[in-house]
Amino acid sequence: NAGVTQTPKFQVLKTGQSMTLQCAQDMNHNSMYWYRQDPGMGLRLIYYSASEGTTDKGEVPNGYNVSRLNKREFSLRLESAAPSQTSVYFCASSESTVTNYGYTFGSGTRLTVV
Amino acid sequence: GNSVTQMEGPVTLSEEAFLTINCTYTATGYPSLFWYVQYPGEGLQLLLKATKADDKGSNKGFEATYRKETTSFHLEKGSVQVSDSAVYFCALIMNTGFQKLVFGTGTRLLVSP
Repeated sequence: NAGVTQTPKFQVLKTGQSMTLQCAQDMNHNSMYWYRQDPGMGLRLIYYSASEGTTDKGEVPNGYNVSRLNKREFSLRLESAAPSQTSVYFCASSESTVTNYGYTFGSGTRLTVV
Repeated sequence: GNSVTQMEGPVTLSEEAFLTINCTYTATGYPSLFWYVQYPGEGLQLLLKATKADDKGSNKGFEATYRKETTSFHLEKGSVQVSDSAVYFCALIMNTGFQKLVFGTGTRLLVSP
């Protein structure tokens, strides 16, 4: 099925460990996004990539890095995980120039940092 | 900056009741407006959208009308079902240049049989 695929679905890390969340889309979208979802705070944008080869910070970029590997893939890396990064992470994609179509979201990665 | 305000939940209803979830926005200009739904354990799915004033978005029995004069986009459904239990997010995006989707905090709907 066409859409946005995220891996892994669940992950438990110890404080200080690193990991990379993977995201891939097969809709030929130009733009991709990483959000985190926390209770009572809705979705907050971490980083985004307007097009292949570009990345920019969102609202809450501290503690994260991203890589737009190619048009399909956009990864999110936690270099040294902290308990404050316990959250559900969503990747999304969109047509860059037809913004009123909205975004397509992946099913999320639930990350717990202990 | 641009923002979206939703009513706090949870909203608790009995099956077949009428649903309204309020959403208002603040934006410099005229955005496109969206409702997304998140079922338990899943990602967000686009429920409906409206791109200009007085447009009505509709899907699966849900409706919302873009009201420029009140800067609102309230979600309604005439008769809810248990399967509608989910978290509903209102969102906006500006229509000029490259912009990012701005979400409200979400409203949880619980429907009992």
